Amino acid sequence: QKEVEQDPGPLSVPEGAIVSLNCTYSNSAFQYFMWYRQYSRKGPELLMYTYSSGNKEDGRFTAQVDKSSKYISLFIRDSQPSDSATYLCAMRGNTPLVFGKGTRLSVIA
Amino acid sequence: GAVVSQHPSWVICKSGTSVKIECRSLDFQATTMFWYRQFPKQSLMLMATSNEGSKATYEQGVEKDKFLINHASLTLSTLTVTSAHPEDSSFYICSASTSAVGEEQYFGPGTRLTVT
Repeated sequence: QKEVEQDPGPLSVPEGAIVSLNCTYSNSAFQYFMWYRQYSRKGPELLMYTYSSGNKEDGRFTAQVDKSSKYISLFIRDSQPSDSATYLCAMRGNTPLVFGKGTRLSVIA
Repeated sequence: GAVVSQHPSWVICKSGTSVKIECRSLDFQATTMFWYRQFPKQSLMLMATSNEGSKATYEQGVEKDKFLINHASLTLSTLTVTSAHPEDSSFYICSASTSAVGEEQYFGPGTRLTVT
């Protein structure tokens, strides 16, 4: 079992939809959880950073962590075509980041 | 703030030659820099972690004599791919952090290496 599992998609939604992206993990030592957005042939951009169970909101983005289930989510409200990218979850304990494979999202106008 | 640059953004080289990629933190001092490799439609794979003034720590399976990392200052790290082969063709991305374990890493735009 890989440390971090993420459905690679692709996921295609109409503009304005609510998008749900998810990752599961197996290492209970992971304490810090991030979501990155990566456009094609670009470096990842940090979107959200959380370290506790519960929800964290930033504009149209909400990150959710459930440590008991080892499950994290990223919700995107009112999705826009500009949100079309690959979204990578990442997490760590006292070790370097471990990334999921990324989910390719397309928001269709 | 927290801008990381990489140079070059794209390089083509012949098999057997060496290529140097630079990673710079432009507006902060990076205690630690990380080098990743990403194949098409795959996730980022950590190659090595470097701290200013000390030897890099390589991940299992990464040849340290092939991928030379130098972290000369708190704003500059370089990755040199020596004796490049076509299978080294990939997207190389660096990141920089102000902490030793990479809390809130900031990524560069990546360098696409093609070895012919």
